[in-house]
Amino acid sequence: SQKIEQNSEALNIQEGKTATLTCNYTNYSPAYLQWYRQDPGRGPVFLLLIRENEKEKRKERLKVTFDTTLKQSLFHITASQPADSATYLCALDMGIYAGNNRKLIWGLGTSLAVNP
Amino acid sequence: SAVISQKPSRDICQRGTSLTIQCQVDSQVTMMFWYRQQPGQSLTLIATANQGSEATYESGFVIDKFPISRPNLTFSTLTVSNMSPEDSSIYLCSAMDSSQREQYFGPGTRLTVT
Repeated sequence: SQKIEQNSEALNIQEGKTATLTCNYTNYSPAYLQWYRQDPGRGPVFLLLIRENEKEKRKERLKVTFDTTLKQSLFHITASQPADSATYLCALDMGIYAGNNRKLIWGLGTSLAVNP
Repeated sequence: SAVISQKPSRDICQRGTSLTIQCQVDSQVTMMFWYRQQPGQSLTLIATANQGSEATYESGFVIDKFPISRPNLTFSTLTVSNMSPEDSSIYLCSAMDSSQREQYFGPGTRLTVT
């Protein structure tokens, strides 16, 4: 079955630096890969979606890459700020390969702490 | 994007009782989902709530334990029945429109069973 792995250890970085989070998966590549942010006591919030035929996607200070050969996605936050501190979740979306099933396969998430 | 509210935000319940969680979306959506999130674990999908038909349950979850209603395109309920301490968790509702792929989540319901 499809498995997804994210950095299990918390990531601590200095304000202003670039944070890089990793999402690895096994087996077949998803049609889409999604990234969410989750703050303590809140539900996940959608950030970015990247398609399997896209190498890179950007939104403001966020950048996502998708390498289907390595079976990996990288999530970058440039010029990080303390307000970026949260848990970041990666989710695989198999798209049409799952028929009408819109189920996402979720990673455990990586906790990011940006220190002032 | 959709704004989703859940009630209650938290509850402490006794073993053997049932709790119904409500999920309200501010716009009509095609699909609604119910998840469980336990400490140190990833989001686990319980079921997809289908409007006008029975929910579609994931492996390990059954209708008798987690009955779900979806009477219209903006509202769903999840009942956790005959609760045990193992049901203590955060329960999350999410919604998605068929024209998009991203999901929008409610704030969650923190359930503690004693």
